[in-house]
Amino acid sequence: EVQLVESGGGLVQPGGSLKLSCAASGFTFSGSTLHWVRQASGKGLEWVGRIKSKANRFATAYAASVKGRFTISRDDSKNTAYLQMNSLKIEDTAVYYCGSGGDLDSWGQGTLVTVSS
Amino acid sequence: QSVLTQPPSASGTPGQRLTISCSGSSSNIGINTVNWYQHLPGTAPKLLIYDNNQRPSGVPDRFSGSKSGTSASLAISGLQSEDEADYYCAAWDNSLNGLVFGGGTKLTVL
Repeated sequence: EVQLVESGGGLVQPGGSLKLSCAASGFTFSGSTLHWVRQASGKGLEWVGRIKSKANRFATAYAASVKGRFTISRDDSKNTAYLQMNSLKIEDTAVYYCGSGGDLDSWGQGTLVTVSS
Repeated sequence: QSVLTQPPSASGTPGQRLTISCSGSSSNIGINTVNWYQHLPGTAPKLLIYDNNQRPSGVPDRFSGSKSGTSASLAISGLQSEDEADYYCAAWDNSLNGLVFGGGTKLTVL
C-alpha cells in the first residue's frame, strides 16, 4: 500500500524558515516524481513544485509564488522528500500535501503551516 | 484567480448525471493531458481521472473524463451522496512551466 506522511508543520513568524518532510513507502520512491501542493483555508489546491527522479537529473520546477524562497530536495536512501521554506510570508499559511507520481496518483494527509506573528 | 476555470459549485440529485467543466488555454489543456482530483476537506486528495479519460484502479466507472481543444469535462453518472466533495482539474502549463489547478467545484448532492 502506498503511503505518504508529511511532517514538520507548525507555527513560524513571517520571514522565518521551516522544513517539511514527506516519508514514503509502498512504491519505488527513487523512480518517482514528488510534488508539493498546498491549500490555504477556504481556498483551492495550489501547486508548489516538484522534483523528478535521479534518472531525470532531479529536475525541479516551482510555482512563481514560491520560486527563490522554497527548495525541494529528496533523499532516495531514506525514501523521503523535503520542502525547505525560507522567507515565509503570511500568505504561505496552508496545509501542505506531498504527492507521488507524474499524475499525483497518491497523496499524503497534509501538514499545517501557519505563518503569523 | 486560477489559470484553469471551473464553476465554483454544482449540485444534483441521487441517480442524476452531472458534468463539471474545466476551461484552459493553448499552453495547458490545449497541448497537455488533464487530470481530475476528488477532495474531501481534511483528507488526502484522490486521483480520479488521468490522461484526460483514464480511471485509476478502484475508481468507479460512474466517473468519466473527456477533453476537446482547450476544455475538459468530468462526468459523474448515477450520482451518490458519497460523491459530495470538491473536484479539481489540473494540467501542466508549458508557458508557466508548472502544474496548474482549476479553482475547484464544490459538488452538493441534494
